Amino acid sequence: QQPVQSPQAVILREGEDAVINCSSSKALYSVHWYRQKHGEAPVFLMILLKGGEQKGHDKISASFNEKKQQSSLYLTASQLSYSGTYFCGTEVGGFQKLVFGTGTRLLVSP
Amino acid sequence: SAVISQKPSRDICQRGTSLTIQCQVDSQVTMMFWYRQQPGQSLTLIATANQGSEATYESGFVIDKFPISRPNLTFSTLTVSNMSPEDSSIYLCSVSGGEFNGYTFGSGTRLTVV
Repeated sequence: QQPVQSPQAVILREGEDAVINCSSSKALYSVHWYRQKHGEAPVFLMILLKGGEQKGHDKISASFNEKKQQSSLYLTASQLSYSGTYFCGTEVGGFQKLVFGTGTRLLVSP
Repeated sequence: SAVISQKPSRDICQRGTSLTIQCQVDSQVTMMFWYRQQPGQSLTLIATANQGSEATYESGFVIDKFPISRPNLTFSTLTVSNMSPEDSSIYLCSVSGGEFNGYTFGSGTRLTVV
């Protein structure tokens, strides 16, 4: 039931782009994206509610392919502040609880 | 979004003892969620705490080990009972921001059992 993310880890140079994928074996009705920095709580990035929806702010965006039961997070022109672990999450039971994906560790170096 | 105060932020406990973690939310919420994050791992939902009813536990978590209280709409506690080194983790509480918003988390409790 836990969504699977790929890659597990990625190292970027500042300014490079990255894509993080989230796939589920079950139908996704919504997808959340969070970033967690070391020693801190996860921070909400965005939510996608509809198949085909795309969202973004700053240089981070996401898409949701409902039919393929997957979502992707796009990080463009990465900054040092983007480093952290990214989690997708899906709500189960009609917005009653959030199940997190396996996580992707992102390190942006100068 | 809601602001959650969680305490303690960290503790080192002896095996066989219990620790109670508290979360206070600055607004009334129907459900509060408790998660465990083992070192280097994702977050795993322990239980959902509703005010006025028994908490709902996920598979692999039982009330005797993780009793939860929810005395009102702004407060909840999670107790980790009869601790063993395997319980060493970060425990986080969380609330939903509603249908179109994300979840907010407390700052977490880093528990080390020795």
